[in-house]
Amino acid sequence: EIVLTQSPGTLSLSPGERATLSCRASQSVSSSYLAWYQQKRGQAPRLLIFGASSRATGIPDRFSGSGSGTDFTLTISRLEPEDFAVYYCQQHGRTWTFGQGTKVEFK
Amino acid sequence: EVQLLESGGGLVQPGGSLRLSCVASGFTFSNYAMSWVRQAPGRGLEWVSAVISGGDNTYYPDSMKGRFTISRDNSKNTLYLQMNSLRAEDTAVYYCATCRGSPWYFDLWGRGTLVTVSS
Repeated sequence: EIVLTQSPGTLSLSPGERATLSCRASQSVSSSYLAWYQQKRGQAPRLLIFGASSRATGIPDRFSGSGSGTDFTLTISRLEPEDFAVYYCQQHGRTWTFGQGTKVEFK
Repeated sequence: EVQLLESGGGLVQPGGSLRLSCVASGFTFSNYAMSWVRQAPGRGLEWVSAVISGGDNTYYPDSMKGRFTISRDNSKNTLYLQMNSLRAEDTAVYYCATCRGSPWYFDLWGRGTLVTVSS
Protein backbone atom coordinates (compact mmCIF):
# COMPACT_ATOMS: atom_id res chain seq x y z
CA GLU A 1 0.00 0.00 0.00
CA ILE A 2 1.25 3.46 -0.87
CA VAL A 3 1.37 5.69 2.21
CA LEU A 4 0.96 9.43 1.67
CA THR A 5 2.39 11.90 4.17
CA GLN A 6 1.22 15.49 4.02
CA SER A 7 3.05 18.49 5.45
CA PRO A 8 2.67 20.70 7.25
CA GLY A 9 -0.18 19.52 9.43
CA THR A 10 -1.45 23.08 9.77
CA LEU A 11 -0.67 26.14 7.71
CA SER A 12 -1.52 29.54 9.25
CA LEU A 13 -1.86 32.22 6.59
CA SER A 14 -3.74 35.39 5.76
CA PRO A 15 -6.00 36.07 2.77
CA GLY A 16 -3.95 37.05 -0.27
CA GLU A 17 -0.95 34.94 0.76
CA ARG A 18 0.41 31.98 -1.13
CA ALA A 19 -0.16 28.48 0.26
CA THR A 20 2.15 25.59 -0.54
CA LEU A 21 1.05 22.13 0.57
CA SER A 22 3.24 19.04 0.28
CA CYS A 23 2.36 15.37 -0.23
CA ARG A 24 5.07 12.72 -0.16
CA ALA A 25 4.47 9.10 -1.18
CA SER A 26 6.18 6.04 0.29
CA GLN A 27 6.81 4.76 -3.24
CA SER A 28 6.55 6.20 -6.70
CA VAL A 29 3.01 7.11 -7.81
CA SER A 30 2.39 5.64 -11.25
CA SER A 31 2.12 8.22 -14.03
CA SER A 32 1.47 10.98 -11.48
CA TYR A 33 -1.94 9.61 -10.50
CA LEU A 34 -2.26 12.03 -7.62
CA ALA A 35 -5.40 13.95 -6.72
CA TRP A 36 -6.15 16.77 -4.29
CA TYR A 37 -9.43 17.39 -2.47
CA GLN A 38 -10.71 20.30 -0.39
CA GLN A 39 -12.99 19.71 2.58
CA LYS A 40 -14.72 22.46 4.48
CA ARG A 41 -16.12 21.89 7.94
CA GLY A 42 -19.27 19.79 7.84
CA GLN A 43 -19.11 19.30 4.08
CA ALA A 44 -18.14 16.53 1.71
CA PRO A 45 -14.75 16.63 0.01
CA ARG A 46 -14.50 18.40 -3.34
CA LEU A 47 -12.15 17.33 -6.12
CA LEU A 48 -9.64 20.04 -7.01
CA ILE A 49 -6.83 18.35 -8.97
CA PHE A 50 -6.34 14.94 -10.63
CA GLY A 51 -3.40 13.46 -12.50
CA ALA A 52 -1.13 15.64 -10.33
CA SER A 53 -1.79 18.84 -12.29
CA SER A 54 -5.18 18.81 -14.05
CA ARG A 55 -7.80 21.07 -12.51
CA ALA A 56 -11.27 19.63 -12.08
CA THR A 57 -14.25 21.34 -13.67
CA GLY A 58 -15.04 24.71 -12.12
CA ILE A 59 -11.89 24.95 -10.01
CA PRO A 60 -10.32 28.43 -10.06
CA ASP A 61 -6.89 28.79 -11.63
CA ARG A 62 -5.40 30.00 -8.36
CA PHE A 63 -5.24 26.28 -7.50
CA SER A 64 -2.40 24.39 -9.16
CA GLY A 65 -0.83 20.99 -8.70
CA SER A 66 2.65 19.81 -9.55
CA GLY A 67 5.12 17.03 -8.91
CA SER A 68 5.93 13.50 -9.93
CA GLY A 69 7.33 10.29 -8.52
CA THR A 70 7.07 10.62 -4.76
CA ASP A 71 6.83 14.39 -4.23
CA PHE A 72 3.75 16.45 -5.05
CA THR A 73 2.63 19.99 -4.28
CA LEU A 74 -0.67 21.86 -4.21
CA THR A 75 -0.27 25.61 -4.52
CA ILE A 76 -2.94 28.21 -3.88
CA SER A 77 -1.52 31.37 -5.42
CA ARG A 78 -3.57 33.93 -3.47
CA LEU A 79 -5.76 32.71 -0.65
CA GLU A 80 -9.39 33.73 -0.73
CA PRO A 81 -11.50 33.58 2.46
CA GLU A 82 -13.34 30.52 1.09
CA ASP A 83 -10.06 28.60 0.68
CA PHE A 84 -9.53 28.09 4.41
CA ALA A 85 -10.23 24.37 4.75
CA VAL A 86 -8.57 20.98 5.03
CA TYR A 87 -6.81 19.59 1.97
CA TYR A 88 -6.18 15.92 1.25
CA CYS A 89 -3.97 14.29 -1.34
CA GLN A 90 -4.90 10.89 -2.75
CA GLN A 91 -3.08 8.49 -4.99
CA HIS A 92 -5.43 7.00 -7.57
CA GLY A 93 -3.04 4.74 -9.46
CA ARG A 94 -3.07 1.63 -7.30
CA THR A 95 -6.30 1.31 -5.34
CA TRP A 96 -6.84 4.53 -3.42
CA THR A 97 -5.15 5.93 -0.35
CA PHE A 98 -5.34 9.39 1.19
CA GLY A 99 -2.92 11.54 3.08
CA GLN A 100 -3.81 12.64 6.59
CA GLY A 101 -4.65 16.18 5.53
CA THR A 102 -3.30 19.73 5.84
CA LYS A 103 -5.45 22.35 7.52
CA VAL A 104 -5.15 25.87 6.10
CA GLU A 105 -6.27 28.24 8.84
CA PHE A 106 -6.53 31.98 9.35
CA LYS A 107 -3.40 33.50 10.84
CA GLU B 1 -29.22 18.91 -10.51
CA VAL B 2 -26.40 16.40 -10.32
CA GLN B 3 -26.61 14.84 -6.88
CA LEU B 4 -25.80 11.86 -4.68
CA LEU B 5 -27.87 11.30 -1.55
CA GLU B 6 -26.84 8.77 1.07
CA SER B 7 -29.14 7.24 3.67
CA GLY B 8 -29.32 4.31 6.04
CA GLY B 9 -26.91 5.45 8.71
CA GLY B 10 -27.71 5.38 12.39
CA LEU B 11 -26.84 3.81 15.71
CA VAL B 12 -26.04 0.10 15.70
CA GLN B 13 -24.63 -2.20 18.36
CA PRO B 14 -21.23 -3.85 17.97
CA GLY B 15 -21.60 -7.01 15.90
CA GLY B 16 -24.67 -5.66 14.15
CA SER B 17 -25.39 -4.97 10.49
CA LEU B 18 -26.45 -1.98 8.46
CA ARG B 19 -27.15 -1.31 4.78
CA LEU B 20 -26.37 2.09 3.37
CA SER B 21 -27.93 3.44 0.18
CA CYS B 22 -26.85 6.17 -2.20
CA VAL B 23 -29.36 7.47 -4.73
CA ALA B 24 -28.02 9.26 -7.80
CA SER B 25 -29.85 11.88 -9.81
CA GLY B 26 -29.10 14.31 -12.62
CA PHE B 27 -26.70 12.03 -14.51
CA THR B 28 -26.61 8.57 -16.10
CA PHE B 29 -25.75 6.49 -13.06
CA SER B 30 -25.18 3.29 -15.04
CA ASN B 31 -22.27 4.90 -16.91
CA TYR B 32 -20.13 5.39 -13.81
CA ALA B 33 -18.13 3.28 -11.43
CA MET B 34 -18.90 4.19 -7.83
CA SER B 35 -17.10 4.14 -4.50
CA TRP B 36 -17.68 4.46 -0.78
CA VAL B 37 -15.28 6.51 1.33
CA ARG B 38 -15.55 6.97 5.09
CA GLN B 39 -14.34 9.51 7.62
CA ALA B 40 -14.16 8.76 11.33
CA PRO B 41 -14.97 11.71 13.62
CA GLY B 42 -12.14 14.24 13.49
CA ARG B 43 -10.08 11.98 11.24
CA GLY B 44 -9.06 11.73 7.58
CA LEU B 45 -10.56 9.96 4.59
CA GLU B 46 -10.45 6.21 4.05
CA TRP B 47 -11.48 4.39 0.89
CA VAL B 48 -13.96 1.57 1.65
CA SER B 49 -14.97 -0.07 -1.62
CA ALA B 50 -15.61 0.43 -5.33
CA VAL B 51 -17.74 -1.18 -8.04
CA ILE B 52 -17.60 -0.89 -11.80
CA SER B 53 -20.48 0.56 -13.77
CA GLY B 54 -22.09 -2.80 -14.53
CA GLY B 55 -21.68 -4.09 -10.99
CA ASP B 56 -19.74 -7.23 -11.89
CA ASN B 57 -16.38 -6.28 -10.42
CA THR B 58 -15.93 -4.99 -6.88
CA TYR B 59 -12.87 -3.78 -4.99
CA TYR B 60 -12.00 -3.49 -1.30
CA PRO B 61 -8.94 -2.68 0.77
CA ASP B 62 -7.70 -5.73 2.65
CA SER B 63 -9.02 -4.30 5.92
CA MET B 64 -12.62 -4.27 4.63
CA LYS B 65 -12.73 -7.60 2.81
CA GLY B 66 -15.23 -10.09 4.19
CA ARG B 67 -17.33 -7.68 6.27
CA PHE B 68 -18.44 -5.09 3.71
CA THR B 69 -20.20 -5.72 0.39
CA ILE B 70 -20.77 -3.09 -2.26
CA SER B 71 -23.50 -3.52 -4.86
CA ARG B 72 -25.66 -1.46 -7.15
CA ASP B 73 -29.05 -1.48 -8.86
CA ASN B 74 -28.77 0.56 -12.03
CA SER B 75 -32.53 0.34 -12.61
CA LYS B 76 -32.99 2.26 -9.36
CA ASN B 77 -29.94 4.54 -9.73
CA THR B 78 -28.84 3.27 -6.33
CA LEU B 79 -25.56 2.17 -4.79
CA TYR B 80 -25.49 0.05 -1.65
CA LEU B 81 -23.04 -0.86 1.09
CA GLN B 82 -23.89 -3.85 3.26
CA MET B 83 -21.89 -3.73 6.48
CA ASN B 84 -21.75 -6.75 8.80
CA SER B 85 -20.01 -7.53 12.10
CA LEU B 86 -19.68 -3.84 12.81
CA ARG B 87 -17.08 -2.59 15.27
CA ALA B 88 -16.67 0.66 17.18
CA GLU B 89 -13.88 1.64 14.78
CA ASP B 90 -16.38 1.56 11.89
CA THR B 91 -18.02 4.66 13.35
CA ALA B 92 -17.75 7.28 10.63
CA VAL B 93 -19.52 9.39 8.05
CA TYR B 94 -19.85 7.26 4.91
CA TYR B 95 -19.74 9.07 1.58
CA CYS B 96 -20.56 7.72 -1.85
CA ALA B 97 -18.70 9.16 -4.82
CA THR B 98 -18.60 8.79 -8.58
CA CYS B 99 -15.42 7.41 -10.09
CA ARG B 100 -14.13 9.24 -13.13
CA GLY B 101 -11.04 9.04 -15.28
CA SER B 102 -8.59 6.22 -15.82
CA PRO B 103 -7.54 5.21 -13.30
CA TRP B 104 -10.40 6.45 -11.21
CA TYR B 105 -10.44 9.50 -9.03
CA PHE B 106 -13.50 10.58 -7.04
CA ASP B 107 -15.41 13.30 -8.80
CA LEU B 108 -18.87 13.90 -7.34
CA TRP B 109 -19.49 13.26 -3.62
CA GLY B 110 -22.66 12.93 -1.59
CA ARG B 111 -23.17 14.66 1.76
CA GLY B 112 -22.62 11.47 3.69
CA THR B 113 -24.50 9.43 6.27
CA LEU B 114 -23.30 8.90 9.84
CA VAL B 115 -22.87 5.39 11.20
CA THR B 116 -22.34 5.07 14.94
CA VAL B 117 -21.37 1.69 16.37
CA SER B 118 -21.90 1.68 20.11
CA SER B 119 -23.60 -0.29 22.84
